[in-house]
Amino acid sequence: EVQLVESGGGLVQPGRSLRLSCAASGFIFDDYAMHWVRQAPGQGLEWVSSISWNSGSIGYADSVKGRFTISRDNAKNSLYLQMNSLRAEDAALYYCAKDMSGITFIFDNWGQGTLVTVSS
Amino acid sequence: SSELTQDPAVSVALGQTVRITCQGDSLRSYYASWYQQKPGQAPVLVFYGKNNRPSVIPDRFSGSSSGNTASLTITGAQAEDEADYYCNSRDSSGDESVFGTGTKVTVL
Repeated sequence: EVQLVESGGGLVQPGRSLRLSCAASGFIFDDYAMHWVRQAPGQGLEWVSSISWNSGSIGYADSVKGRFTISRDNAKNSLYLQMNSLRAEDAALYYCAKDMSGITFIFDNWGQGTLVTVSS
Repeated sequence: SSELTQDPAVSVALGQTVRITCQGDSLRSYYASWYQQKPGQAPVLVFYGKNNRPSVIPDRFSGSSSGNTASLTITGAQAEDEADYYCNSRDSSGDESVFGTGTKVTVL
């Protein structure tokens, strides 16, 4: 059974940093691209970032480009999102999602999310 | 980036058929995938590509595409189908992903 467990969320002041993690199990992690998707309270889904199996292909939404960095450690079956210069509009539930294959942008498994609150 | 537009809300009588649409220029080049999200839960993939449904998803869920519009149809809607539904596709560049605005489906 595929399991994705996010962690690292919390309350952070505007302008500060936070690092999210996603622990993966139940599948061969380094066979698949991975993604971060967020959802602000009461709002819709927003794709944030993607990373290919070997980190050779990485993409970001315009809203986070230059501030967020996605990475992965295949030896640890883990996905990360380094978030710098956080803004109020970055407050959201952040989901880790598994791709069906390479970067197809078809998210076939999701974690339960980790909540990021940005407030002074 | 591109935009994908969905009707905010639709309702369907129990056992009847409802179609949820998603419009956007990128859909002329790329297929959509569809996600169901119930309150307090993570999204679940229910349909993707030209004609693909995950094995755990009931066959009352189907998808189609024409021009700049993708559709998800629920044939014989059940009470448990009441949820928010989001479409998703690549944007026009093909390098990024974009979600639709979401449709709340109410089963009466």
